[in-house]
Amino acid sequence: KAGVTQTPRYLIKTRGQQVTLSCSPISGHRSVSWYQQTPGQGLQFLFEYFSETQRNKGNFPGRFSGRQFSNSRSEMNVSTLELGDSALYLCASSSAATNTDTQYFGPGTRLTVL
Amino acid sequence: AQTVTQSQPEMSVQEAETVTLSCTYDTSESDYYLFWYKQPPSRQMILVIRQEAYKQQNATENRFSVNFQKAAKSFSLKISDSQLGDAAMYFCAYRSGPWAGSYQLTFGKGTKLSVIP
Repeated sequence: KAGVTQTPRYLIKTRGQQVTLSCSPISGHRSVSWYQQTPGQGLQFLFEYFSETQRNKGNFPGRFSGRQFSNSRSEMNVSTLELGDSALYLCASSSAATNTDTQYFGPGTRLTVL
Repeated sequence: AQTVTQSQPEMSVQEAETVTLSCTYDTSESDYYLFWYKQPPSRQMILVIRQEAYKQQNATENRFSVNFQKAAKSFSLKISDSQLGDAAMYFCAYRSGPWAGSYQLTFGKGTKLSVIP
């Protein structure tokens, strides 16, 4: 099976712009979670989607949003970019077939905000 | 809210030796899962080992094993016969039990492991 894929891998934007990141989970996986990784704050949970519904959300401003499509692919959007949004954004998927399922991570999207 | 603490920002080990990475966590829950993830320079997060809190037996995966002390809320990772490929950031992570209905992971700040040839 192919792993979790994220596109694009690298992105450079300027302050005030918006950006959309994409995540394709492992085939058959229905749960997708997003994390932000920065040197200062470490890994922080953004949100989680299951069967097209957001079932959990981290403590991030409303500029961060996401969605999940019927094929389980997920996108996250950041509007009005700030310098502090520069980070590695990681997506993780799980089959969610049982509660003990493990999450598998994608390679991440490196976002740089200038 | 749960917290995960990794008190060793950096560690080093000689190739073929054994090293133990520490992790403590704080929770009021009785059922949960604990994980160690490895993040090499490629930045791809790789699951190393997992432990269910209700299982008393410590998990092992080849050269990797954990020492899970539930009462002390401690979850250390032991790497035996260290190899150059083990050099990476290691993250300890916590996830609530099945009742939570979520796969959200809470991570520690990480330990950077260097392997000396």
